[in-house]
Amino acid sequence: AAGVIQSPRHLIKEKRETATLKCYPIPRHDTVYWYQQGPGQDPQFLISFYEKMQSDKGSIPDRFSAQQFSDYHSELNMSSLELGDSALYFCASSRSLAGVSYEQYFGPGTRLTVT
Amino acid sequence: AQSVTQLGSHVSVSEGALVLLRCNYSSSVPPYLFWYVQYPNQGLQLLLKYTSAATLVKGINGFEAEFKKSETSFHLTKPSAHMSDAAEYFCAVSVRGGNNRLAFGKGIQVVVIP
Repeated sequence: AAGVIQSPRHLIKEKRETATLKCYPIPRHDTVYWYQQGPGQDPQFLISFYEKMQSDKGSIPDRFSAQQFSDYHSELNMSSLELGDSALYFCASSRSLAGVSYEQYFGPGTRLTVT
Repeated sequence: AQSVTQLGSHVSVSEGALVLLRCNYSSSVPPYLFWYVQYPNQGLQLLLKYTSAATLVKGINGFEAEFKKSETSFHLTKPSAHMSDAAEYFCAVSVRGGNNRLAFGKGIQVVVIP
C-alpha cells in the first residue's frame, strides 16, 4: 500500500539559511499535518491543511510557513534557521469522511540538522 | 486542551512476558485515543485506535488496549513480548469534532531482554 512520502530524508543547513521540506500524502487523503520531534522529545503539532486550506495551527514559529497544493502535496518552508530547529519533521495524512478525520498515517520524516 | 500522560521513560520486559504500557488522558470532551510505535530512525506506525466503538481495541502485532472512562486510561498490553517489540511507544489523543491534531505523550522506550 502507498504510504506518505517525505523528501528529503536528511537535510543539513547552516544557521540563517532556509529549508523546504516536502510531503506527498497517501492517495485520496485530503488532510496533511506537520509535526516536529526534537531529540528525545515527543512529536509536537505544527500545522495542518484540509482541502488546501489551513485547518489548524499549533506551535509553529513565525519563521516557518506551509501550504498545500492542488495535488494535495504540502511544503514546509523554514527560514532564518536556528540551531534549535534541528529535529525530525514528520508529515502525516488522513482522509475525512463526512467531515470527520480519524487516524493519521505518518511519513518516515525528514531529519534536519542545523549547524 | 487535551493531553496524555505516560509515566516513566523506559521499561524492560523479558521475552515472553506481559507488556503493559500505561497511558492516562485528560480531555474535556470524549476523546479519540491512539497508540503509535516508533522504531529507531523511522516514522510513527499506528498500532491501534479508539474512536468510540468497542472499548477493547485490538491492533497489529498482538497489541490491544482498553478504554476505561472511569479511570481516564488507555493502557496498552501484549501477552507475550517479542524481541521485535523493542521500540518507543507513544500514546496520543485528539478531540472529537476538533481539527484532529494529535497531542502525544512523552513516549516510553521498551527494552526486551532475551
